[in-house]
Amino acid sequence: AQKITQTQPGMFVQEKEAVTLDCTYDTSDPSYGLFWYKQPSSGEMIFLIYQGSYDQQNATEGRYSLNFQKARKSANLVISASQLGDSAMYFCAMREEPKLSFGAGTTVTVRA
Amino acid sequence: NAGVTQTPKFRVLKTGQSMTLLCAQDMNHEYMYWYRQDPGMGLRLIHYSVGEGTTAKGEVPDGYNVSRLKKQNFLLGLESAAPSQTSVYFCASSSTGTRVAFFGQGTRLTVV
Repeated sequence: AQKITQTQPGMFVQEKEAVTLDCTYDTSDPSYGLFWYKQPSSGEMIFLIYQGSYDQQNATEGRYSLNFQKARKSANLVISASQLGDSAMYFCAMREEPKLSFGAGTTVTVRA
Repeated sequence: NAGVTQTPKFRVLKTGQSMTLLCAQDMNHEYMYWYRQDPGMGLRLIHYSVGEGTTAKGEVPDGYNVSRLKKQNFLLGLESAAPSQTSVYFCASSSTGTRVAFFGQGTRLTVV
C-alpha cells in the first residue's frame, strides 16, 4: 500500500504567487515525522522542512510552510512568493522509525 | 564538510556484470539508506541499516545486496546486473537524534 501520496504530477505557478503541494500519508504509528525535499534539475536532494507528529504548531522555514492536518493525514507544502529558482521536483516523505518513505513527487514550474 | 559521498557518480554495465556502489558519511550517523529513483516513481527504498553490522530489506530489495561493516560506510552490490536496474541510486544517512536525512549526490547507473 502506498504510504505517501502526491496526487499532482506537475504544477505551474506564476512568479511571486503562492503554490500549495498536496501530500497525504498513511500510518498507524503515533510517532512519525514528515519532510519535504526539493530536487532541482541538477539532481541533488535538498531538505526543506520537517514536521513531527507531536508538534502542535505547523512548521515554517522562510518561504516554506507545512500545513499539517493530522486528522486528515495531510501534510501540504506551501511555497509563498514563488521564484524562478523554485522550479524543481518536490518530494514529500514520512519517517516511521527507522524507515524513510517517499512519495512520487510533484514537478513545479515557475513562470515569469 | 563532505557529508554523504557516493562512488562512482556514473557507471555503464553490461547485463550480467557485477558492481558495488560505495556510500560514505562523515557525520557519525547511525542510520543509512539506499534508494533508487525512476521517473514517475519517486524514491524507493532498497535496503537500510540502523547500525554497524545490521541491514534490513526495504521496498525493492530483489537483485541487490548490502553490507555495513563500518559505521561510516554502506555498500550496495549488484551481483548480476539487469536492464531493469538502470536507475539513479541515492544513498542517505541520518541520526536517531535528528530528523533530517542527508543525501549523496546520486549515482547514475545504466545497464545495457
